[in-house]
Amino acid sequence: SQTIHQWPATLVQPVGSPLSLECTVEGTSNPNLYWYRQAAGRGLQLLFYSVGIGQISSEVPQNLSASRPQDRQFILSSKKLLLSDSGFYLCAWRGAGGYTFGSGTRLTVV
Amino acid sequence: SQQGEEDPQALSIQEGENATMNCSYKTSINNLQWYRQNSGRGLVHLILIRSNEREKHSGRLRVTLDTSKKSSSLLITASRAADTASYFCATLGSNYQLIWGAGTKLIIKP
Repeated sequence: SQTIHQWPATLVQPVGSPLSLECTVEGTSNPNLYWYRQAAGRGLQLLFYSVGIGQISSEVPQNLSASRPQDRQFILSSKKLLLSDSGFYLCAWRGAGGYTFGSGTRLTVV
Repeated sequence: SQQGEEDPQALSIQEGENATMNCSYKTSINNLQWYRQNSGRGLVHLILIRSNEREKHSGRLRVTLDTSKKSSSLLITASRAADTASYFCATLGSNYQLIWGAGTKLIIKP
């Protein structure tokens, strides 16, 4: 069965520090992968999606970047975090039965 | 970007009552999906309704779709405390990314 792992679950980082959130998928190959962000009390915003290794599409220009170094690995990064980067980050993959989401990372930039 | 709009933004009802949430969207769709998110956690896929379907049931969930009005409703019957969560509708955009509404926060009072 397919599973998706996302870590860490919570993260508190100072302004200006780097960020790396990792997401891995098991049980499938060549999945479409997505990074979403949810600001407090709001809906989800698509940040990046990837249809294959090294293929990244950005939906919203901002302080973040994404990479897909391996087929089932999707990484969200930042060189210097801003206060506005705080939020709940979700990784997802699309399978035949619909979308499956990771458990999320709550990022607080202080 | 978000095109779905859930209504109401927040809903508080007594346990055992029915809860109805609505969603409107702007563009043509292939399907519409409903998700649940428990506080600060990942999303769980509830139900998908295709554009050629008008109603769909899954357990205590009933979803309707009116493509002429570009709207959908999610009905939860005989609500339980465990139904307390935020509920989101999402439609499928290009490259299969989901376009989300802001969500309805449902509180079930014991």
